[in-house]
Amino acid sequence: QVQLQESGPGLVKPSETLSLTCTISGGSISTYYWSWIRQPPGKGLEWIGYMDYSGSSNYSPSLKSRVTISVDTSKNQFSLRLSSVTAADTAVYYCARHPHGDHIDYWGQGTLVTVSS
Amino acid sequence: QPVLTQSSSASASLGSSVKLTCTLSSGRNTYIIAWHQQQPGKAPRYLMKLDSGGSYNKGSGVPDRFSGSSSGADRYLTISNLQSEDEADYYCETWESNTWVFGGGTKLTVL
Repeated sequence: QVQLQESGPGLVKPSETLSLTCTISGGSISTYYWSWIRQPPGKGLEWIGYMDYSGSSNYSPSLKSRVTISVDTSKNQFSLRLSSVTAADTAVYYCARHPHGDHIDYWGQGTLVTVSS
Repeated sequence: QPVLTQSSSASASLGSSVKLTCTLSSGRNTYIIAWHQQQPGKAPRYLMKLDSGGSYNKGSGVPDRFSGSSSGADRYLTISNLQSEDEADYYCETWESNTWVFGGGTKLTVL
């Protein structure tokens, strides 16, 4: 059974860069697509971006200027960097897997990131 | 990119059935979607993939009480014999040109 686990700081200061890592266990990062999704408190899900094992990526148009997603196949991990954060970026951040480049079939447990000084 | 529209809330009685709707934006009647369940305080969980013909493939461990169907631009999630643990938010998801979108979610209350 594949498992995804997000990790990273729970508190980030305004204007700094949010950095999170998703570690995959029970399966390989290869041959799949991997996404980051976030959920502000009390709100719905927002897709941030994806990357596949070959390094192809795409990002939400609303976040594209601030987002970088990278993959480390040797560690079976992929990462998110979101720059110039504000309080509006406070959310639970989830990593997720797409088995065939289409729908999500596995989610991480999520990690809350608060942007505050 | 596609837009998915969901009612913000729904309610039904314990043991009854409920049908949740996700509507695709104009011109996207053939799109496949997925349904996800998010119980309070938990991560979302994949329920099923549903195509325009009403064929669906459920995730591992999803009870038989959950089924899907389609009509035109509408994609449905039906939950039969409602249980208390079905009280949750339900989101639909779709994709186009390596961009993914979610519906706003439906909050289901089990009375």
